[in-house]
Amino acid sequence: QKEVEQNSGPLSVPEGAIASLNCTYSDRGSQSFFWYRQYSGKSPELIMSIYSNGDKEDGRFTAQLNKASQYVSLLIRDSQPSDSATYLCAVGYSGTYKYIFGTGTRLKVLA
Amino acid sequence: NAGVTQTPKFQVLKTGQSMTLQCAQDMNHNSMYWYRQDPGMGLRLIYYSASEGTTDKGEVPNGYNVSRLNKREFSLRLESAAPSQTSVYFCASSDKETQYFGPGTRLLVL
Repeated sequence: QKEVEQNSGPLSVPEGAIASLNCTYSDRGSQSFFWYRQYSGKSPELIMSIYSNGDKEDGRFTAQLNKASQYVSLLIRDSQPSDSATYLCAVGYSGTYKYIFGTGTRLKVLA
Repeated sequence: NAGVTQTPKFQVLKTGQSMTLQCAQDMNHNSMYWYRQDPGMGLRLIYYSASEGTTDKGEVPNGYNVSRLNKREFSLRLESAAPSQTSVYFCASSDKETQYFGPGTRLLVL
């Protein structure tokens, strides 16, 4: 059974701080990793994808992947109240068309 | 370019009634998906279609059927709705790796 685990939170950080969101996965066959942001009552929207070990940066967002330890993380620098949302980790598998989603971490950025 | 569209946005059903949720995408994607999202459960895959003409079960297919009408459209049917099917339903499409989601359908089964 492939599993993706996230702490449900809420994770509260002050405005301007770095928010660190973590995700672990069970299957070493995982090939692709995604972070989605979901505002309350809205659909998930893709923030970052990462496929190789190491860091990938896009603006204020950095995704980090460590396949040996089977975790992927998302760092949000200079957090803003508008970043308050639920962040979903998703893991994909080569040769399939399916993701496994974590249950999400709720982030609250305090002004 | 509308992306992924879903109809209806909201629906109330009585137990035993049937309905079809519609999904369409204009991104020329081959793969399409139906998920349900419940509090504390995350997104769970109901059915997916890797390409036109094919459909496969996901994690929670019981009580649902799907039709991949053409490359653009993928519908989800509830033949006899049950209160346990109260949920938010999302359709998604993908270009190999990245999935793009529709706005969702909120379904309440009484």
